[in-house]
Amino acid sequence: QAQLVQSGAEVKKPGSSVKVSCKASGGTFTNYAFSWVRQAPGQGLEWLGGIIPSFGPGNYAQKFQGRVTITADESTTTVYMELRSLTSEDTAVYFCARGADSASFDALDIWGQGTMVIVSS
Amino acid sequence: DIQMTQSPSSLYASVGDRVTITCQASQDITNHLNWYQQKQGKAPKLLIYDASSLETGVPSRFSGRRSGTDFTFTISSLQPEDFATYYCQQYDNIPLTFGRGTKVEVK
Repeated sequence: QAQLVQSGAEVKKPGSSVKVSCKASGGTFTNYAFSWVRQAPGQGLEWLGGIIPSFGPGNYAQKFQGRVTITADESTTTVYMELRSLTSEDTAVYFCARGADSASFDALDIWGQGTMVIVSS
Repeated sequence: DIQMTQSPSSLYASVGDRVTITCQASQDITNHLNWYQQKQGKAPKLLIYDASSLETGVPSRFSGRRSGTDFTFTISSLQPEDFATYYCQQYDNIPLTFGRGTKVEVK
């Protein structure tokens, strides 16, 4: 069955960058849309952006445009999310998730386990 | 961006109760609305997609309905494992946006 496995927790300094990976297994990698969603402590869910590997560049929420880059490596079926210029407000759990339907951002039916990113001086 | 107004933010209920949560979209999203359950420390789980379709393996006590830009999520008879936080999410337009969540707590 399909599964997403994310990289481990990160502690970063303000102003630095973080890159989180999400290894996909099960299903045809290029057929799906992958999203990144974050959740700050005690808060709700926020979509940063996503990518459809067969379509090329990522799509990003305006709030994160210019600060986030989402890429996909077909050879390793891994999706990456890099967030730059980190501040304490970026402290959150970051989830990758796969869209249920082929090549569209719709229902997120498979989720990774989450990666905690702490930004602290 | 499409705003999803979800209410209530929290509610207290007992096992066996009927629970209803609503989400209102800031514009027409047709039926492009999903519902998720999230338990503490876990990833969200998809329960309902396309406003009213039950995800495979999800118990039938969960249901969803659409009326224009208003969406309703119902648990017909609350079970002990249903105490959690629930979120709506629209996918009519990018960016995908979520409601602020509803925490269902023990009365």
